[in-house]
Amino acid sequence: DAGITQSPRHKVTETGTPVTLRCHQTENHRYMYWYRQDPGHGLRLIHYSYGVKDTDKGEVSDGYSVSRSKTEDFLLTLESATSSQTSVYFCAISEFPGQVFNQPQHFGDGTRLSIL
Amino acid sequence: SQQGEEDPQALSIQEGENATMNCSYKTSINNLQWYRQNSGRGLVHLILIRSNEREKHSGRLRVTLDTSKKSSSLLITASRAADTASYFCATDGGGSGTYKYIFGTGTRLKVLA
Repeated sequence: DAGITQSPRHKVTETGTPVTLRCHQTENHRYMYWYRQDPGHGLRLIHYSYGVKDTDKGEVSDGYSVSRSKTEDFLLTLESATSSQTSVYFCAISEFPGQVFNQPQHFGDGTRLSIL
Repeated sequence: SQQGEEDPQALSIQEGENATMNCSYKTSINNLQWYRQNSGRGLVHLILIRSNEREKHSGRLRVTLDTSKKSSSLLITASRAADTASYFCATDGGGSGTYKYIFGTGTRLKVLA
């Protein structure tokens, strides 16, 4: 299994509080991704990073920010959590996809976040 | 909106039977990938098929791709209880340079022993 660690694995917090999720990799992959998974929606991309300090928005980026100060760490922050952000969050990594996207993604085991 | 849509949403079969799942997508692609997700775990990459390939095999898995219909199918032969999981297709959206993978909503497969 690819070396991807997500922390925390579970978190319960209240509306309006800040929350930071961490993804740590030991594979030295350039690309890192944050997804959320909700019933009926599959996986939706929040933000991704294509290098240290290089990030871009995904499909559902509103209310989320990210930072990547080191190759191995990609942080997802909910500045002021809302109940609609209750979800399971997955981090994924991949090598440079290239022009033909021929690289698979490797996933962590997720963070289950509940916002009350 | 999701690029990929899997069909059926849920599938229940007996051990030893074959399971077929379908994926439809909307835009041109460079490749299409299939992933498996066991309950409470992250997704695991199964197989990748390039846009210029029509069929690919890996063990008990057979994937087909029809770019004219913008669809793919995943066949699992001689299914086992351990194949019980959700299966997702993912596409690259045609390689617009943004390197975003787009996942479908998944098929939940249950294999009964």
